[in-house]
Amino acid sequence: DGGITQSPKYLFRKEGQNVTLSCEQNLNHDAMYWYRQDPGQGLRLIYYSQIVNDFQKGDIAEGYSVSREKKESFPLTVTSAQKNPTAFYLCASRKVSTDTQYFGPGTRLTVL
Amino acid sequence: QQQVKQSPQSLIVQKGGISIINCAYENTAFDYFPWYQQFPGKGPALLIAIRPDVSEKKEGRFTISFNKSAKQFSLHIMDSQPGDSATYFCAASKGQAGTALIFGKGTTLSVSS
Repeated sequence: DGGITQSPKYLFRKEGQNVTLSCEQNLNHDAMYWYRQDPGQGLRLIYYSQIVNDFQKGDIAEGYSVSREKKESFPLTVTSAQKNPTAFYLCASRKVSTDTQYFGPGTRLTVL
Repeated sequence: QQQVKQSPQSLIVQKGGISIINCAYENTAFDYFPWYQQFPGKGPALLIAIRPDVSEKKEGRFTISFNKSAKQFSLHIMDSQPGDSATYFCAASKGQAGTALIFGKGTTLSVSS
């Protein structure tokens, strides 16, 4: 069963704690992306990676960090420096020879 | 700086009617324009996409119209159905491999039966 998996679906965190969101894909896609979605704000790019061991900041990278040690995995860490982390986080991937970007099911993070 | 502007923010259409959502972009380097459909609590799914070398693309009840000179593109949903009720996002990207999409803020469509 191919696709993009994100875990967990719901995540609760206390203020001041770091938390890591998982994103795995078995589509053999080269590029992977993290977006943040807030009501009425659309999808805003946090980080993206086109190849293993390389990634670039998006428009709202402050307070977030990523790693890309394997082609299949692109975890996102929400650090305590992120001022307003409560949001819906979406991971996506794409084969660079094609246009289509596929999304995972998302993780809803709530800071208590 | 919002590079892709989408309107309206929300739309109510009667069953069987035509839903029209508009987007405008600023960067003339953009050369790929997809529309995504998102249901509550789910990830967005690609609906239809177009490149600037064509002015219109149709897939079933969904049509993209593209106006390169005006830097605008729109989604038309013909014979709208209650199952089409969702949030729709337009997006744009440059042609470089792996470049991220830039999204509009979304339109929430409600189709009344």
